[in-house]
Amino acid sequence: GAVVSQHPSWVICKSGTSVKIECRSLDFQATTMFWYRQFPKQSLMLMATSNEGSKATYEQGVEKDKFLINHASLTLSTLTVTSAHPEDSSFYICSAGAGPLIGPLHFGNGTRLTVT
Amino acid sequence: GENVEQHPSTLSVQEGDSAVIKCTYSDSASNYFPWYKQELGKGPQLIIDIRSNVGEKKDQRIAVTLNKTAKHFSLHITETQPEDSAVYFCAASKNTGNQFYFGTGTSLTVIP
Repeated sequence: GAVVSQHPSWVICKSGTSVKIECRSLDFQATTMFWYRQFPKQSLMLMATSNEGSKATYEQGVEKDKFLINHASLTLSTLTVTSAHPEDSSFYICSAGAGPLIGPLHFGNGTRLTVT
Repeated sequence: GENVEQHPSTLSVQEGDSAVIKCTYSDSASNYFPWYKQELGKGPQLIIDIRSNVGEKKDQRIAVTLNKTAKHFSLHITETQPEDSAVYFCAASKNTGNQFYFGTGTSLTVIP
């Protein structure tokens, strides 16, 4: 089946630094990738939708200058958390869709970010 | 926009019993309904899905039913096993944009 690889699986960084998370579709071309944030024991909160070659669409309340998303190719999207603060500590998950028709989203295994 | 509600939030069953999780949605234009299983520290994994032109779909011990008129769909797990313990999310989507709307999740515990 379709595989989405997300790296790193966990990262610890200091306040004020930036962290980049990668999301790759390994065996299909992902025209659309989604980035979610998940707090403990809660559902997935959509942060932004990225389409290959165009700017990401951010959900209301998500700071686009803080959470930089790049979708430079059909197999790679990156999320950069800039000037990280402890409140940015969370579980970040990406998912990818293979085309404009609806179908299953394939999720990465998530990245646990801890900002100290 | 779409609003997906999921119940119960927690569910405990004895091994071998059945588990049922229910979701409702608000947008009648939604036509695709996947279910995801999320284990601790991992991303959600698709376990079964159903499209609006079908009323029921089964895959071994897992089944999903859809009632378009009432706008609700349910996940049924039979002969539950301890490895079924996880958080389950339902979702709804339309034909446009692959935008998925997730339920709030159900934490299922199967007691050996």
